[in-house]
Amino acid sequence: TQLLEQSPQFLSIQEGENLTVYCNSSSVFSSLQWYRQEPGEGPVLLVTVVTGGEVKKLKRLTFQFGDARKDSSLHITAAQPGDTGLYLCAGGAGGYQKVTFGTGTKLQVIP
Amino acid sequence: SQTIHQWPATLVQPVGSPLSLECTVEGTSNPNLYWYRQAAGRGLQLLFYSVGIGQISSEVPQNLSASRPQDRQFILSSKKLLLSDSGFYLCAWRDPVGYTFGSGTRLTVV
Repeated sequence: TQLLEQSPQFLSIQEGENLTVYCNSSSVFSSLQWYRQEPGEGPVLLVTVVTGGEVKKLKRLTFQFGDARKDSSLHITAAQPGDTGLYLCAGGAGGYQKVTFGTGTKLQVIP
Repeated sequence: SQTIHQWPATLVQPVGSPLSLECTVEGTSNPNLYWYRQAAGRGLQLLFYSVGIGQISSEVPQNLSASRPQDRQFILSSKKLLLSDSGFYLCAWRDPVGYTFGSGTRLTVV
């Protein structure tokens, strides 16, 4: 069974601080996705990474796929209250193969 | 563009009552459709997925069932709800890039 462990589970920071969320597994994934979910809503796809070592930037968010494609990180620069939410990583074996979701990181950014 | 509709948004049902949650997709044909359950704002558990009309794969044995009567319609059902069925249910369709989720149904079994 493929497992994706996210750390930390909870994070409460002040507006303007930087943070990094980690997503780790012992399994190799063909692709890895990051989602953000707000309370009472479905997750929204932020990014998909497919190449080992790949780095993608989305405004203040930087996503990195590990060289061995077993782990990923999400770094947020100068966090804002609008970044508050549950961040989920999800790893897939490629195409329409089964996707495994991570355990989630709940982020609160305090104004 | 593709959109996904899920209803109702919230539902409170007594133990032993039936359940029917509906999900419809617009703007795509022959979508791969999924039902997930999320407990207490944590990770997602895959319940069912469907690659076409009448084709249902179950991931977790339980008292829930799913049906796909039309190409863009996916239904989650139960004949008799249990307290443990409470949770946040999400419908999604998927392309090779990732999932598009509906807005979810908060089910509370009392």
